[in-house]
Amino acid sequence: GENVEQHPSTLSVQEGDSAVIKCTYSDSASNYFPWYKQELGKGPQLIIDIRSNVGEKKDQRIAVTLNKTAKHFSLHITETQPEDSAVYFCAASPLYDYKLSFGAGTTVTVRA
Amino acid sequence: DVKVTQSSRYLVKRTGEKVFLECVQDMDHENMFWYRQDPGLGLRLIYFSYDVKMKEKGDIPEGYSVSREKKERFSLILESASTNQTSMYLCASSNLRGQGGRFSYEQYFGPGTRLTVT
Repeated sequence: GENVEQHPSTLSVQEGDSAVIKCTYSDSASNYFPWYKQELGKGPQLIIDIRSNVGEKKDQRIAVTLNKTAKHFSLHITETQPEDSAVYFCAASPLYDYKLSFGAGTTVTVRA
Repeated sequence: DVKVTQSSRYLVKRTGEKVFLECVQDMDHENMFWYRQDPGLGLRLIYFSYDVKMKEKGDIPEGYSVSREKKERFSLILESASTNQTSMYLCASSNLRGQGGRFSYEQYFGPGTRLTVT
């Protein structure tokens, strides 16, 4: 099955700085890569996703990049704000497969 | 908005008890999932269901069973709770539905149930 590794496990950044979270996956059949954000006391919520036919996708201050050859993808958060403090999960799945394999999560803390 | 609700936010049970965790979604989603979340291990899939009365094992099904008698409701059952089942349990639902030519795989999660087995 798919194995998704996520690094780092914790990340502390100064407000206004950028944050980068990296994930690798093992199954070459995977071609859908979502990112979820989990705020304290809540369930994870999708914030951005990318499919394998796209190398990069951006939505305001967040962006995701994908390198299928190297089997890794990354989440970039620019101009971090206190509300970006949360746990972030990467995931992977083959297209048209409703099951997701999640990474272990990254706890991001934005210092004021 | 999609809403996924879980019957309890916190639950304390004793070893050996039978435990039921209930999940209800209000968006007519076909797929429903049960995960457990543990520090450093992320979200691990226990069971999922892609239709009423249909279920499939996930990555860690041992010690658990599920029931889906109605489309909107998916129950996780711990037949005989053990201390190593102390965890956060998350329910999710999804639908593969074409929107403007693109399929949506988004999973919508409930707030979770923190289960402690003593």
